[in-house]
This record gives sequence, C-alpha cells and structure tokens, in this order.
Amino acid sequence: GAGVSQSPSNKVTEKGKDVELRCDPISGHTALYWYRQSLGQGLEFLIYFQGNSAPDKSGLPSDRFSAERTGGSVSTLTIQRTQQEDSAVYLCASSLTGRKETQYFGPGTRLLVL
Amino acid sequence: GENVEQHPSTLSVQEGDSAVIKCTYSDSASNYFPWYKQELGKRPQLIIDIRSNVGEKKDQRIAVTLNKTAKHFSLHITETQPEDSAVYFCAASMSGKLIFGQGTTLQVKP
Repeated sequence: GAGVSQSPSNKVTEKGKDVELRCDPISGHTALYWYRQSLGQGLEFLIYFQGNSAPDKSGLPSDRFSAERTGGSVSTLTIQRTQQEDSAVYLCASSLTGRKETQYFGPGTRLLVL
Repeated sequence: GENVEQHPSTLSVQEGDSAVIKCTYSDSASNYFPWYKQELGKRPQLIIDIRSNVGEKKDQRIAVTLNKTAKHFSLHITETQPEDSAVYFCAASMSGKLIFGQGTTLQVKP
C-alpha cells in the first residue's frame, strides 16, 4: 500500500506569512508524529497524535506552531507568522498503534522562510 | 530530561572495514531502540530495531547490541560498502515517543 505522503514537498514563504503543511499517514495507522530537521541536524520531536488527540505537544517550539488531525487520518501542521529560523525540513511519521513500534516517515516538506 | 547521545558525529572507514556507532539514553524505562538510515535528501528509513528483552540482534551485515544496565546501545556494520554511506540515527522510546540522537554521518571510501 501507499506510504506516508506529505505536501507540499517544498514551500517558500515570506517572513510573517502563515503556512500549512499536510501529512497523510499510512492507512490504518493510529499514531502520527511531526518532527523538524534543520540542515545537518537531528530529528526534533514536535507533536504526537493518537487518533485525533494529541497527548504530547511538548516539542512545539512556540505558540506560533499548532497541529490538528481529523478523522484519525490526515494531519496539518500550521506555522503562523513564520520566522527565518523556522526554515527546515518538516517530517511526518506514522505507526500502527504508537506503542514501541516502527515509525514510517514521509518524504518531508522543505520550508524556506525568506 | 529525555535525552539520547550519539557518537561519533562523523565516521569515515575504508570499504570492507567495520563501523560502530554508539548511543546512550537517559530514561531507564526505555524499551524500544530503532536505528534509521537517511540518505541525502531522502526520508529516514528503519534498518534494524531492538527491544529491551534481548541483548543483541543481527540482520545480515548489521547488528545492534543493547546494555540496559549501562543504558547504551550500539550499531555494528560489517564489510562496509559505499552504499552504506549515509546519516544514521539512533532512537529510544521515552514517554510514548521516540527521542532521536543527533546522527552519525558515515562515509565509506572505496
């Protein structure tokens, strides 16, 4: 079946604008994760969904970042009033139940804030 | 706090040699430890994982060892090939999520 997909693959925006990033997890996967990867850096955890609820939002860097998930499937990560330091690759991953399992990653969205 | 330390940050080996990457974790309750490989411009992909009820796991040229007492685990790649060149990330399960190490850039020279 299809893997995790993300859109857009690339996004260039101006400082101060809002952006929405989309993640389509593997069908049937209840757990969904967002990570941020800055150039040459590791994977920074942002938020975790189990179904439609987010039991762990501890990684969101500021209140400009928010995420939602509807229907237990698609998730959107919204960054308001973007700043240059938000430039990074945003990766989404999903797993079957979220408990000590393999996470399958999407191709990421490369965000550049000018 | 929740932390995974990974060493070295870069590793260069000759084709055919072995490569070892080490990670330590902070949460003694962690019980799942995956390793991901990320080639340039691509998504991370799982290459091997280990759970806390075993000390070692092998898959062809790749092996992972776990020492729960010392809270460290290692990735071993034998007979390295140029296509093994990539960034490798370790991770440990903590509080229901994975915490990743900072990554090791492995270069295998032909």
